[in-house]
Amino acid sequence: AQKITQTQPGMFVQEKEAVTLDCTYDTSDPSYGLFWYKQPSSGEMIFLIYQGSYDQQNATEGRYSLNFQKARKSANLVISASQLGDSAMYFCAMREGPGWRGGSNYKLTFGKGTLLTVNP
Amino acid sequence: NAGVTQTPKFRVLKTGQSMTLLCAQDMNHEYMYWYRQDPGMGLRLIHYSVGEGTTAKGEVPDGYNVSRLKKQNFLLGLESAAPSQTSVYFCASRLAGATKNIQYFGAGTRLSVL
Repeated sequence: AQKITQTQPGMFVQEKEAVTLDCTYDTSDPSYGLFWYKQPSSGEMIFLIYQGSYDQQNATEGRYSLNFQKARKSANLVISASQLGDSAMYFCAMREGPGWRGGSNYKLTFGKGTLLTVNP
Repeated sequence: NAGVTQTPKFRVLKTGQSMTLLCAQDMNHEYMYWYRQDPGMGLRLIHYSVGEGTTAKGEVPDGYNVSRLKKQNFLLGLESAAPSQTSVYFCASRLAGATKNIQYFGAGTRLSVL
């Protein structure tokens, strides 16, 4: 079973509107972290936002927010007031286990990504 | 702020040739990673290192070797390149023991094996 599922291969949004990119995850570990990365057409991977499993509040970073619904195992990325520069591939990723511990929680598991296109 | 630097950015190889990809980070991070990205597959971990002189296998290690002789450098080697290794390769690094474990990525190396 996939640990990270991004069900939207592509999404379109009008400039200045908000958009939600879906991510569901699967883990039995009570401690985990969820990440979103942006990959523009230039190819680099840019960290956007992080949510820890024990964080009480949804994470926010500027125009990015993470809609974390723990019981549903979803960690959707919300981009408010979309800009043309937001057009990119977006990846959801998960770390299983607490961040401070070494060993098996070394890795991130990535979803297959969602290609967001912002239309003028 | 250089962050994570990968060289080269592009490379074309013939089947059977060898090459080494270099990753350098200036953030004093303990952990370093090599991923490959294929269309429709997301990123998959090839090898990783938790410190100087230490390396370990990830999900797709076959056909690759790595070395971490210095803390700031992580090398990925292809001894005998195959067309199946055509991919975009990313290096990443992070601090050990940090709560968030944010991995910071290089710009990628686009490799074609003919």
